[in-house]
Amino acid sequence: ELKVEQNPLFLSMQEGKNYTIYCNYSTTSDRLYWYRQDPGKSLESLFVLLSNGAVKQEGRLMASLDTKARLSTLHITAAVHDLSATYFCAVKETSGSRLTFGEGTQLTVNP
Amino acid sequence: KAGVTQTPRYLIKTRGQQVTLSCSPISGHRSVSWYQQTPGQGLQFLFEYFSETQRNKGNFPGRFSGRQFSNSRSEMNVSTLELGDSALYLCASSLQGGNSEQFFGPGTRLTVL
Repeated sequence: ELKVEQNPLFLSMQEGKNYTIYCNYSTTSDRLYWYRQDPGKSLESLFVLLSNGAVKQEGRLMASLDTKARLSTLHITAAVHDLSATYFCAVKETSGSRLTFGEGTQLTVNP
Repeated sequence: KAGVTQTPRYLIKTRGQQVTLSCSPISGHRSVSWYQQTPGQGLQFLFEYFSETQRNKGNFPGRFSGRQFSNSRSEMNVSTLELGDSALYLCASSLQGGNSEQFFGPGTRLTVL
């Protein structure tokens, strides 16, 4: 059974600081997603990572994938308050379209 | 292009009742997946439908069922509601399932009293 673990689960940081969220998964997968969720809202797709060594960047967020280590990271650069949200990684099984989600990282960026 | 729509957005039911939630995928998308989100269990896969057939099912009791119509719209039904069924139910659509990217709807917030 595929398991996905994120850490930290809670992250409080100051504006302007950098930090990294980690996502580990237990079995082989062919793609990994990062989503953002604001309170009471749905999931917004941030990144899709398809292959080993993949790196994608959008604004202050950068995601990477190491399939050998079964690890993805979401790096936040110079955080701003607008980045406050819960971030989920989700791993797709190699067959089918089922996504297994991590527990989510609740990020709070303080002014 | 319109996104995924879900109705109703909010629902309050009492224990023992049943409920039906609806999801209209993005035009042209043929795969619809359902997820349950609760504070305790997080986001969990319920089932996936493609071309009116259930293609995959998560680990939920038989009280949870679904179907898909020929226009790709999907419904999920929960019978004999329990307090623990209170959750945000998210629907995601994709072109063909598999490796196609999934786009999530706004969700239906179900409260069971």
